[in-house]
Amino acid sequence: AQSVTQLGSHVSVSEGALVLLRCNYSSSVPPYLFWYVQYPNQGLQLLLKYTTGATLVKGINGFEAEFKKSETSFHLTKPSAHMSDAAEYFCAVRLKTSYDKVIFGPGTSLSVIP
Amino acid sequence: IAGITQAPTSQILAAGRRMTLRCTQDMRHNAMYWYRQDLGLGLRLIHYSNTAGTTGKGEVPDGYSVSRANTDDFPLTLASAVPSQTSVYFCASRRTDNSPLHFGNGTRLTVT
Repeated sequence: AQSVTQLGSHVSVSEGALVLLRCNYSSSVPPYLFWYVQYPNQGLQLLLKYTTGATLVKGINGFEAEFKKSETSFHLTKPSAHMSDAAEYFCAVRLKTSYDKVIFGPGTSLSVIP
Repeated sequence: IAGITQAPTSQILAAGRRMTLRCTQDMRHNAMYWYRQDLGLGLRLIHYSNTAGTTGKGEVPDGYSVSRANTDDFPLTLASAVPSQTSVYFCASRRTDNSPLHFGNGTRLTVT
């Protein structure tokens, strides 16, 4: 069965520093991959997604992620953190052969220190 | 504004009571989902529906039921609530096979 792991339940970075949130998945076939962001008391919003094609995917708010099949990873990065980036981030996968289930990782809480 | 509406926003419920969480979308999405969010566990799929008239079980379906009488509505029912069902519940929908999920703002449920 597929699963998603996110290394680090909580990450703190200084404002202006690099943001790196890690995501690894287990799947027998390359899945669709997503990063979602959740602000307090809100639902999840899509940051970016990988389905096919270019493995470096750019999303909203300056975030990007790279799909690395050999490492089964889809890490999220942003060159320079902003205070407004403080939120909960979720990596999610969906198998191309099973479109009815999206599996989420446990989430990483990002804090940005002024 | 098109999207997903969940009701109620929050609810405190006595154990043993029946409760229906409502979810309505106006985007004409075929697929709809119910997730629960618990600290440290992320989102876990309770039930899903690929199209009106069909439903399926997710990772944690026990104690919950759903129905999908039409495209827009996907209510989640707790027949007899238990404290372990205290959680934040999110309804979501999706347009096509590889499109992302759209989420409602959630229902915070406390079972006492």
